[in-house]
Amino acid sequence: SQTIHQWPATLVQPVGSPLSLECTVEGTSNPNLYWYRQAAGRGLQLLFYSVGIGQISSEVPQNLSASRPQDRQFILSSKKLLLSDSGFYLCAWSVPLWDRGRGTEAFFGQGTRLTVV
Amino acid sequence: DAKTTQPPSMDCAEGRAANLPCNHSTISGNEYVYWYRQIHSQGPQYIIHGLKNNETNEMASLIITEDRKSSTLILPHATLRDTAVYYCIVGKGKYNQGGKLIFGQGTELSVKP
Repeated sequence: SQTIHQWPATLVQPVGSPLSLECTVEGTSNPNLYWYRQAAGRGLQLLFYSVGIGQISSEVPQNLSASRPQDRQFILSSKKLLLSDSGFYLCAWSVPLWDRGRGTEAFFGQGTRLTVV
Repeated sequence: DAKTTQPPSMDCAEGRAANLPCNHSTISGNEYVYWYRQIHSQGPQYIIHGLKNNETNEMASLIITEDRKSSTLILPHATLRDTAVYYCIVGKGKYNQGGKLIFGQGTELSVKP
């Protein structure tokens, strides 16, 4: 079965410090991978998505970047955190493009709650 | 991407059916309707999805109108554990669209004893 791991669960970082959040998926190959952010309650904002190694699409201009160094690894980074980067960050995966007959059902990790102080 | 409209909140009595509506009047022919829910401080959980026909699984039923401009998620016997924010999403099924899921504000369902 497929599983998604995201860590850490909580993180408190000072303004101006770097950030690295990691997400890994097991049990599937060539998944689509996503980073979402949820700030102050509901409403998930799609930040990045990737359909393959080294292929990253950014949805909104921001202080963050994403990388996919391996097929099932997705990393969210920042060189200098801002107060506005605080939020609940969620990684997700969905079936590969060539299995799209099922539709774009996505599976989410448990999230990282980031507080920038 | 097509947009969806949901009521911000709803209440439901425990044991009764919860019917959560969603409007997606600009949906295109190859777009699916997805429902997810998010229990407080957890990642969203997939519930069900459909294209044209009504769908049912162990969690819920999805009723899609014939013109596909709206749908209803039905939780047949709501329990307190069903209290969550429910998201209705329209997702592109085209091969080259990357399968993005764009979440709206959802409906906060409160199941009361």
